[in-house]
Amino acid sequence: DTEVTQTPKHLVMGMTNKKSLKCEQHMGHRAMYWYKQKAKKPPELMFVYSYEKLSINESVPSRFSPECPNSSLLNLHLHALQPEDSALYLCASSHRLAGDYEQYFGPGTRLTVT
Amino acid sequence: SQQGEEDPQALSIQEGENATMNCSYKTSINNLQWYRQNSGRGLVHLILIRSNEREKHSGRLRVTLDTSKKSSSLLITASRAADTASYFCATGETSGSRLTFGEGTQLTVNP
Repeated sequence: DTEVTQTPKHLVMGMTNKKSLKCEQHMGHRAMYWYKQKAKKPPELMFVYSYEKLSINESVPSRFSPECPNSSLLNLHLHALQPEDSALYLCASSHRLAGDYEQYFGPGTRLTVT
Repeated sequence: SQQGEEDPQALSIQEGENATMNCSYKTSINNLQWYRQNSGRGLVHLILIRSNEREKHSGRLRVTLDTSKKSSSLLITASRAADTASYFCATGETSGSRLTFGEGTQLTVNP
């Protein structure tokens, strides 16, 4: 199984809502990533987990809260978002945390904040 | 910050023609990777070339790497309409544990 799954595919939320994005992989990868991507732009790294521990936080606002419950799952909890947070949120995984490995991406969650 | 720059930003060709995209970067790298993204979807890994390699092939893809010029190119031969997508280069830096993506090239292959 070389697939990374993400749910939901689409999410519309108000600025006062709390929601969560979910990501799952069963490839035995020990590094997992959250990216944010705006239209016609490259993915921007948000968070990286290595062996279920937060390894990189790219100065992301606290209204985004990542969680890695186990080696297969990655969540992104959202609270009090702003309209400018509307974007495609991509999850990815790789064998280990290093630039040496290819990353496998999920299909993304299209988030709209109203 | 994104260190890769891709050229051209957009490329439109006819089916059957070859497409060449270029990527430049600024720091020392372990490897350079190319990814494809269909509109609004996740990225798909195409090929990885290590810093000690100069050329790599995978099917209709040919990648070159020139570390002295800090540049790479991706050639897609005999293009198909299904190759229409955005193509991103990404560098794995020697000093880091992340990939840094270039700005991307939007390729349109007209049937």
